[in-house]
Amino acid sequence: KAGVTQTPRYLIKTRGQQVTLSCSPISGHRSVSWYQQTPGQGLQFLFEYFSETQRNKGNFPGRFSGRQFSNSRSEMNVSTLELGDSALYLCASSLGRSSGNTIYFGEGSWLTVV
Amino acid sequence: DAKTTQPNSMESNEEEPVHLPCNHSTISGTDYIHWYRQLPSQGPEYVIHGLTSNVNNRMASLAIAEDRKSSTLILHRATLRDAAVYYCIQSGTYKYIFGTGTRLKVLA
Repeated sequence: KAGVTQTPRYLIKTRGQQVTLSCSPISGHRSVSWYQQTPGQGLQFLFEYFSETQRNKGNFPGRFSGRQFSNSRSEMNVSTLELGDSALYLCASSLGRSSGNTIYFGEGSWLTVV
Repeated sequence: DAKTTQPNSMESNEEEPVHLPCNHSTISGTDYIHWYRQLPSQGPEYVIHGLTSNVNNRMASLAIAEDRKSSTLILHRATLRDAAVYYCIQSGTYKYIFGTGTRLKVLA
C-alpha cells in the first residue's frame, strides 16, 4: 500500500512569508506527527495529531501550527518565516492507538528560506 | 524530555555483525524502544522496536537489558546498504524524541 506522501518536496520561500506543507498518511492510519530536521538541531518533534486533535506538541514557537482533517490528512503551517526555519520537514503516520505503534515517515519537504 | 544517548559513530567490516548500543536511563515502564535508520536525503526508516523482551525481525535483532536502561541493535551481517545514521528512541505520550544517532560506516 502507498506510504506517507508529503508535498511539496522542495520549496524556496522568502523571509517573512508563510508556508503550508501537506501530508497524506498511510491508509488506515489516524495519527500524524511532524518533525523538523536541521544539521544543527537534528530531528525535533513538532506536534502530533490523532482524529483531528493535537495530542502533543514540541518546543516550537507559535509560528508553527498544524491541523488534521477528518480523512487524517494533515497540514503544517509556518508563518513569518525566518532563515533558521530552513530545514527538512518530516511527516510520519501510525495507527496511533498506543505509544508502541510504529510510525512511518515520508520523504520530507525541503524548505529553504532566503 | 527523555533522551537517549548513543555513540556518534561506529565502523564495521562488511559481512560482520554490528552491535549498536543505546542508553535510555530515564525510560518509564510504558515507553517502547524503537530503532530507525536514515539514509541521506531520505526520511527515517523503521528497523525494529520492543518493550521488555528481545525482538527479532528480518532486518535486525533488538536486545533489551533487564532493567531496560539500555538496549543494543544487532545487525547480523552488515552490508554496504546498512551504512546510515541509526537512531534509538524512547516513545511515550505520542511523541518520539530523537537523539543524535550513530553514524554507521561499513567497510568493504
